[in-house]
Amino acid sequence: EPEVTQTPSHQVTQMGQEVILRCVPISNHLYFYWYRQILGQKVEFLVSFYNNEISEKSEIFDDQFSVERPDGSNFTLKIRSTKLEDSAMYFCASTGGPGQPQHFGDGTRLSIL
Amino acid sequence: AQSVAQPEDQVNVAEGNPLTVKCTYSVSGNPYLFWYVQYPNRGLQFLLKYITGDNLVKGSYGFEAEFNKSQTSFHLKKPSALVSDSALYFCAVRDSGAGSYQLTFGKGTKLSVIP
Repeated sequence: EPEVTQTPSHQVTQMGQEVILRCVPISNHLYFYWYRQILGQKVEFLVSFYNNEISEKSEIFDDQFSVERPDGSNFTLKIRSTKLEDSAMYFCASTGGPGQPQHFGDGTRLSIL
Repeated sequence: AQSVAQPEDQVNVAEGNPLTVKCTYSVSGNPYLFWYVQYPNRGLQFLLKYITGDNLVKGSYGFEAEFNKSQTSFHLKKPSALVSDSALYFCAVRDSGAGSYQLTFGKGTKLSVIP
């Protein structure tokens, strides 16, 4: 079964540094998402992306965040100047259409020191 | 605004017994409802969904869920629990008519199946 893959599995970064999290969605999917899960808390929506643009974003997704689909396969989340509170698991998801379930990757654990 | 409530942080059940993990939701329009399972250090794995049609939905690994519109609930069930079912379970909702595709998750319920 096709899977969403995320790299790296664990990223350790100094506060203030930029970080890029990478995702390869399922190949025929059209809608892409980023969610995050702070340790012990619920999964929170960050942003959705369709047709090469952001379709919606949450309050969490402020100016330090950006997303990009640089080629036909990758979908990236960039955090420009990381803060301690950005430490979380970041999940990428994709879906083929509105009524279909979102399929999630295994996540990237981001640790900000 | 859409929201999900999972009233139980933890559910313990003996192996072989039926299990229920509760979920209630709130949306403005008609709901799309989902259950996901998360094993340690893994992502969210899709179990089942309700979009429309039959209120009883069957999914992966013998799980099923019943959509109850009047009670705004979507409880996850399994007739006979396995030790391997022990994991974190998340209910999620999306408003089908809101033009938004984001999922709103509950806080999760930890299921422990005792041998």
